[in-house]
Amino acid sequence: DVVMTQSPLSLPVTLGQPASISCRSSQSLVYSDGNTYLNWFQQRPGQSPRRLIYKVSNRDSGVPARFSGSGSGTDFTLKISRVEAEDVGVYYCMQGSHWPPYTFGQGTKLEIK
Amino acid sequence: EVQLLESGGGLVQPGGSLRLSCAASGFTFSNYAMSWVRQTAGKGLEWVSSISDSGGDTYYADSVKGRFTISRDNSKNTLYVQMNSLRAEDTALYYCVNIDWGYWGQGTLVTVSS
Repeated sequence: DVVMTQSPLSLPVTLGQPASISCRSSQSLVYSDGNTYLNWFQQRPGQSPRRLIYKVSNRDSGVPARFSGSGSGTDFTLKISRVEAEDVGVYYCMQGSHWPPYTFGQGTKLEIK
Repeated sequence: EVQLLESGGGLVQPGGSLRLSCAASGFTFSNYAMSWVRQTAGKGLEWVSSISDSGGDTYYADSVKGRFTISRDNSKNTLYVQMNSLRAEDTALYYCVNIDWGYWGQGTLVTVSS
């Protein structure tokens, strides 16, 4: 199984400042079709996860432009250019290139300093 | 608007059974594979099972293989999971998920305890 490792696990950020979350996979996530199936999810307190980014860098509909995804192979990053209060929650990466099983990172808890 | 509405969760004794349902709307259900993902406080998000669009192919996490059965009724736009021989470690919030499009339901809570 592909192991997904996120860092940091806790991320205190000042409002208006940037934030960055790293996700590393135990093997390359490049699929045989040439795509890399790496997603990012946001889970606000008391809510279901919401997908923000699919295939490394594609923002879902309605996701603010301050969220961006990048990376390749085994190293991926979610960046928030300027953190807002509504960004508080837990962020997860998930791989879908080598399933079953789909696997998730441990989650990164973003809080406001 | 896409909606995934889970139901069927509750309190069950170890060794017991439960069937979860997920009513889908807002998209062509029969065109997409569907999945169950669970969340616990201790282990985060864990993929449980997936089923192909037609229902002909099913996949399970090792932790539930042989105990859970995923199925779907495309005429009713509904996804199911039959959970047997439940254990304390199956206690979780179970989400119905369309992984392709990133849609998640609100979840239904399963508690396995005596």
